[in-house]
Order: sequence, then structure tokens, then C-alpha cells
Amino acid sequence: EDQVTQSPEALRLQEGESSSLNCSYTVSGLRGLFWYRQDPGKGPEFLFTLYSAGEEKEKERLKATLTKKESFLHITAPKPEDSATYLCAAAYYGGSQGNLIFGKGTKLSVKP
Amino acid sequence: EAGVAQSPRYKIIEKRQSVAFWCNPISGHATLYWYQQILGQGPKLLIQFQNNGVVDDSQLPKDRFSAERLKGVDSTLKIQPAKLEDSAVYLCASSPPSVAGGQFFGPGTRLTVL
Repeated sequence: EDQVTQSPEALRLQEGESSSLNCSYTVSGLRGLFWYRQDPGKGPEFLFTLYSAGEEKEKERLKATLTKKESFLHITAPKPEDSATYLCAAAYYGGSQGNLIFGKGTKLSVKP
Repeated sequence: EAGVAQSPRYKIIEKRQSVAFWCNPISGHATLYWYQQILGQGPKLLIQFQNNGVVDDSQLPKDRFSAERLKGVDSTLKIQPAKLEDSAVYLCASSPPSVAGGQFFGPGTRLTVL
């Protein structure tokens, strides 16, 4: 069964304390791996797309990496404004191009 | 650039009633999606349109849910009759032909079924 699993469910960090979020996927042929940020009461906001193992993308304090089985979202020296739920999603061959399987997300809280 | 617009933002109905949601995608985006997000879960795709044709509706409960996209722009999602388990946030998203840049989501409609 195609699925995406994120861990941990929740993560509490102190400002400046770096950490990583995990996204493991089992899909029948990965078309692309997406990371989104979701703030309370809002829709997900696109962050990154990764296509092949070894690929990395960076944006400010965030860096996403991809292996053949999982993706990591590294957060370096986080600030309180990085607090949000981070969603991982996989697009797979066999589904329509836009058919994404989302994980449940990791809720990140960064305390000052 | 204007984002994806959705209305209403909130809706409370009794079970067995009907409800409709509206979405206006980003101008020029041919692909439109409707997702259901239950509290504590990731979004689940209900239906995907390419222009005004359906690409994927395999996860749409067709006995009670329906969606249309007239003229390839705005879209409506309808639930009739609603059940308690339909309580969720309904998200609309749009994307250009290539999904490399991700999907752009609206703010969602929070539906509560009593």
C-alpha cells in the first residue's frame, strides 16, 4: 500500500536548537517528494520538491534531502516564526500527476 | 498575484443537510484539486480537474459528493446529504501544467456537521 509516514508527530525546540524532521515513504515509483508548511487556519504553503535520491534543496533555515526511502527536513537555528506543521507528500507513478499522498505532519513549536 | 480564493470560510450544518463550497483558482492554472483534511491528518485528494475535465476522482464518495468546474475556471464541491464524518477542512488547490512548483492552496472551508 502506498503511504507516507512522518515522525515525530510533534517537536518542541528552543530557539537556535537545530533538528530534523523525518518523512518515510513507500510508493510504487516516486514521481516527486514535496514539503509543505501549514499554519493554523491556513492552507499548506509549498516549500520544496525533490525528485531523486541525493538531491538537496535549501530555503533560509530549511534544507530538504532525499534518499530512496525517506526525506529529511533539517531546520538550522530555528526561530519562533518557524513554528508550524510541516507536511510531506509523495507523487507516484500509477497515480495522476497531481495525486499526492500526504503524511500526517510534524507539528513544530519553537520557543524563544 | 492573487492566491486561491475559497468561500465560505466556515460552515455549520445539521446531518442530512446539503452544503456547497466554492473555489476560484490562480489565474492561468489549468489544474484544480479538492482535498479533505480531517483534524490531525494530512490532506486527502478528493478530485482533480484538468481544465473542466475530471482527471482523478477515485477517492470521491460519489454517493454524496459531487464537484464541477464549469468553463475551466471556478469550481464547486457539494455534499448531499452530509454525515457527521464529513466534518473537516475542505481545501482547494491549483497548479500550472507542471507540478514541479507544487500546488497552491487556498485557506480552506471548515465544515462542522452536527
